[in-house]
Amino acid sequence: DTAVSQTPKYLVTQMGNDKSIKCEQNLGHDTMYWYKQDSKKFLKIMFSYNNKELIINETVPNRFSPKSPDKAHLNLHINSLELGDSAVYFCASSQFRGGNYGYTFGSGTRLTVV
Amino acid sequence: DQQVKQNSPSLSVQEGRISILNCDYTNSMFDYFLWYKKYPAEGPTFLISISSIKDKNEDGRFTVFLNKSAKHLSLHIVPSQPGDSAVYFCAASIRAGYSSASKIIFGSGTRLSIRP
Repeated sequence: DTAVSQTPKYLVTQMGNDKSIKCEQNLGHDTMYWYKQDSKKFLKIMFSYNNKELIINETVPNRFSPKSPDKAHLNLHINSLELGDSAVYFCASSQFRGGNYGYTFGSGTRLTVV
Repeated sequence: DQQVKQNSPSLSVQEGRISILNCDYTNSMFDYFLWYKKYPAEGPTFLISISSIKDKNEDGRFTVFLNKSAKHLSLHIVPSQPGDSAVYFCAASIRAGYSSASKIIFGSGTRLSIRP
């Protein structure tokens, strides 16, 4: 069983489109995250939800909107896609205080905007 | 503003020898430091962590050393094995500020290659 699963694994779309990436975790964790890995390979946090509540919201364009229907799911919706949105997006989960034992990551969604 | 820096993008080590990966940080408010390992087309996998109040943590072949005065940490892998070839991310945990949540800030990674 995959602990943190993301769909789709690859996504190619045109500029201006709206797309969603889904994430589900079966670890019983109460906190979930979205990270973006850019072309320079930096992993940067975008959002975090704890028990469906937004608790971390970094400086991200408001075209990006996370949605958490329950604590096992965190989806990422992106409006009006731009070329600069091309990246690998990773979902992760942890217990609330994940600092000392880290997060469990999904395998990533490679988004290519053309 | 890179708060966690890995200045070596790549490292090549002979099998059986020690691999040493280095990391520097700037924020003294980090409470935990972590190392992640990443294979291609997979997500990062948690490897080992250390509390900011410790100076060493060991887990099998992996040891992390923390030098707070120098704001430096390192990961030692001994002996190095072919399966250790991967990208290693140094990371640090910090309270998010406006909540009691923590967030993890990553370095840019070091690609470790273990040669026969």
